[in-house]
Amino acid sequence: GAGVSQSPRYKVAKRGQDVALRCDPISGHVSLFWYQQALGQGPEFLTYFQNEAQLDKSGLPSDRFFAERPEGSVSTLKIQRTQQEDSAVYLCASSSENQETQYFGPGTRLLVL
Amino acid sequence: GQNIDQPTEMTATEGAIVQINCTYQTSGFNGLFWYQQHAGEAPTFLSYNVLDGLEEKGRFSSFLSRSKGYSYLLLKELQMKDSASYLCAVRENAGKSTFGDGTTLTVKP
Repeated sequence: GAGVSQSPRYKVAKRGQDVALRCDPISGHVSLFWYQQALGQGPEFLTYFQNEAQLDKSGLPSDRFFAERPEGSVSTLKIQRTQQEDSAVYLCASSSENQETQYFGPGTRLLVL
Repeated sequence: GQNIDQPTEMTATEGAIVQINCTYQTSGFNGLFWYQQHAGEAPTFLSYNVLDGLEEKGRFSSFLSRSKGYSYLLLKELQMKDSASYLCAVRENAGKSTFGDGTTLTVKP
């Protein structure tokens, strides 16, 4: 079956622009996670949804970052007024209710110039 | 704070065995995961431990000691395709997982 998909795969933004990153989780997965991965580092937790409820957003680095999952399936991570330090790969993952395994999407590579 | 330590790099020979260690100090513990990540690709799940002991899955095994805050990933019969980054991650609660920075394994012929 289809895995987790993310779009766009690559995004170049000028500093100060707003961007929106999309994640389509595996069908039926109730849990959805967003991570930020800088070059040479492990993924850093950003936020977590269970269905449409955002249960943990403690990892969002600033109020410029906003995530939503209004119907409990597709999720969007929005970054307002992008800064150069926002350049990273943004990974989305989903899991079923038992959460033994997270399935990751291919990521969106964001470059802010 | 949260801290996960694993070696930055390791090198091993094709056909050999390698052990990648991970130590952790986290505010909560709800399982430890190992992921494989090839350059430019997404992490893929390798193993999950929530109880102490060894979990074996083909050429890969993972061990956990919760009292010591310690895990290792054992890779046997190394193949060239095993060259990748190996990430140790602790799930602290239902949502949040903390990852180490990964161990880059190079397998040489």
